[in-house]
Amino acid sequence: EVQLVESGGGLVQPGGSLRLSCAASGFTFSSYAMSWVRQAPGKGLEWVSAVSAGGGSTYYADSVKGRVTISRDNSKNTLYLQMNSLRAEDTAVYYCAKSGSGNYPVNWCDPWGQGTLVIVSS
Amino acid sequence: EIVMTQSPATLSVSPGERATLSCRASQSIGGNLAWYQQKPGQAPRLLIYGASTRATGIPARFSGSGSGTEFTLTISSLQSEDFALYYCQQYNNWPLTFGGGTKVEIK
Repeated sequence: EVQLVESGGGLVQPGGSLRLSCAASGFTFSSYAMSWVRQAPGKGLEWVSAVSAGGGSTYYADSVKGRVTISRDNSKNTLYLQMNSLRAEDTAVYYCAKSGSGNYPVNWCDPWGQGTLVIVSS
Repeated sequence: EIVMTQSPATLSVSPGERATLSCRASQSIGGNLAWYQQKPGQAPRLLIYGASTRATGIPARFSGSGSGTEFTLTISSLQSEDFALYYCQQYNNWPLTFGGGTKVEIK
């Protein structure tokens, strides 16, 4: 069974940093692109970032570009999202998701982790 | 950026009835569309990809159709567990974008 388990969320002050992790199991992690998608409280879904299977190609939403870095460690089956210069509008549940079809990151997302909540507030 | 517009925002349906949800793309996305279901406090779950292919384990009462800019998700006979939020997502272009969602509620 494919499992994605996020961690690292919490309360952080504006301007602060946080690193999210997503531990993957049940599939060949190194063969799939991965994404981060967020959902602000009571709002819809917003794709944040994606990375190719090998980690060599990364993609970012304009809303986070320059403040966020996606990476992966295929030896540890783990996806990361380093978030810097955090703002109140970054407050959301952050989900990691597996690309629906192999290495290509422009794809549907399946499955999703349970999410980790990030709150940016003073 | 491709804008995805879902309608209606809320759909009130009685159990056993058919529900029809719409999703419109601001430009053609071919068949590169997915549908997700989300229940309160849960992560989204993939229902449909490729506009019309059901994901593994999804009941046959869920069906998707459309291409280009107009898409539809149909739930043929609503069960109690189907009352939830539904999102469409295009994966034709970067950035990946989602519709605003349709809430299917009990009438």
